[in-house]
Amino acid sequence: GDSVTQMEGPVTLSEEAFLTINCTYTATGYPSLFWYVQYPGEGLQLLLKATKADDKGSNKGFEATYRKETTSFHLEKGSVQVSDSAVYFCAKLYGGSQGNLIFGKGTKLSVKP
Amino acid sequence: DAGITQSPRHKVTETGTPVTLRCHQTENHRYMYWYRQDPGHGLRLIHYSYGVKDTDKGEVSDGYSVSRSKTEDFLLTLESATSSQTSVYFCAIGLAGVGVYNEQFFGPGTRLTVL
Repeated sequence: GDSVTQMEGPVTLSEEAFLTINCTYTATGYPSLFWYVQYPGEGLQLLLKATKADDKGSNKGFEATYRKETTSFHLEKGSVQVSDSAVYFCAKLYGGSQGNLIFGKGTKLSVKP
Repeated sequence: DAGITQSPRHKVTETGTPVTLRCHQTENHRYMYWYRQDPGHGLRLIHYSYGVKDTDKGEVSDGYSVSRSKTEDFLLTLESATSSQTSVYFCAIGLAGVGVYNEQFFGPGTRLTVL
């Protein structure tokens, strides 16, 4: 069935380190893909999205490229900050026009000064 | 800010009691969703609505019911709460049908504890 798999955390990095969080999805058609971020005590916020193969979503220094050949949508940032500490969720669209999302289990990122 | 509020924000209740959570939106979006968030499971869809009185089940709908009598409100009811329903509940609105993709915007969440 439909699924999204992302790397398990927690991930702990020093400030200014390079970040990669892996995400792969089951390929049924060409679903839109998303990264959401959840800061402590808050709801989820859309971080970036990509709607077709080879699209690159970007926001706040984060990037992810829709790779159809590897069914992946890895999240990257060149230099993380303490304020990036949060839980990151990868998600894919399924369900046709209802626009339902299926989420990965989340990856907690902690950035140390 | 997509104008989504949830009430209550925190609730402690006892096993066997009914509980209703409310999601309210101010922007007249057609699609609304209820999720639960649990450690190790991410977010899982409970129910969703695609219009007034139009609802459908999600992945983890057992033990939950929903109602949508007007566009702005989507209610989630636990008819008889159990400890396994202790969770954080998020409401979301979706922009499906507006474009080729669906962006969902989330409310602040309700932390429910069932003793």
